[in-house]
Amino acid sequence: ILNVEQSPQSLHVQEGDSTNFTCSFPSSNFYALHWYRWETAKSPEALFVMTLNGDEKKKGRISATLNTKEGYSYLYIKGSQPEDSATYLCAFHTFSGNTGKLIFGQGTTLQVKP
Amino acid sequence: NAGVTQTPKFQVLKTGQSMTLQCAQDMNHEYMSWYRQDPGMGLRLIHYSVGAGITDQGEVPNGYNVSRSTTEDFPLRLLSAAPSQTSVYFCASRPAPRRPSGYTFGSGTRLTVV
Repeated sequence: ILNVEQSPQSLHVQEGDSTNFTCSFPSSNFYALHWYRWETAKSPEALFVMTLNGDEKKKGRISATLNTKEGYSYLYIKGSQPEDSATYLCAFHTFSGNTGKLIFGQGTTLQVKP
Repeated sequence: NAGVTQTPKFQVLKTGQSMTLQCAQDMNHEYMSWYRQDPGMGLRLIHYSVGAGITDQGEVPNGYNVSRSTTEDFPLRLLSAAPSQTSVYFCASRPAPRRPSGYTFGSGTRLTVV
């Protein structure tokens, strides 16, 4: 059983605060690490896919880092806005033979208060 | 550009009934998968396919069948519905197994088994 853990489970911040979440994953059979944003009543949308140790990705005020040797990734949101309120999912992308699969964490739910 | 289309959006079944959840994508993606989403459990992989004619089991395959006769379609069959299968089901696709690209998700099917 592959364990993908996200912390915290939920987070309430004020508009303008910066925040970060953690995703922990197995350090073996690593292929990629995905981050998704999931707004209520919508479908998850891909934010980042990272493959190399030390990778950093950025999209606007959101950025992510990757450490494959110790098995963790951080997602940062700078200057949170109410529209950032969503659940943020990470997914461990592993490969075995010719097939690969994504195993999701339970998500971190962010609520940004105006 | 429809992306990933799931039907139906909502369904109520009686215990023991069978049904098929439909999933179609028009992006020529090789990789398709089915997830279920339950409170506190995150997204759990049911079945996936790396191309037409090839399917494999995920984390929670029991009670579900899949087939992939074409690149576009990946239906999920519930053989004999049980209350434990009450969940929200998401179909997702990616371009290819060995490309570390993000998923495109369908809008989900909310299934209730009474």
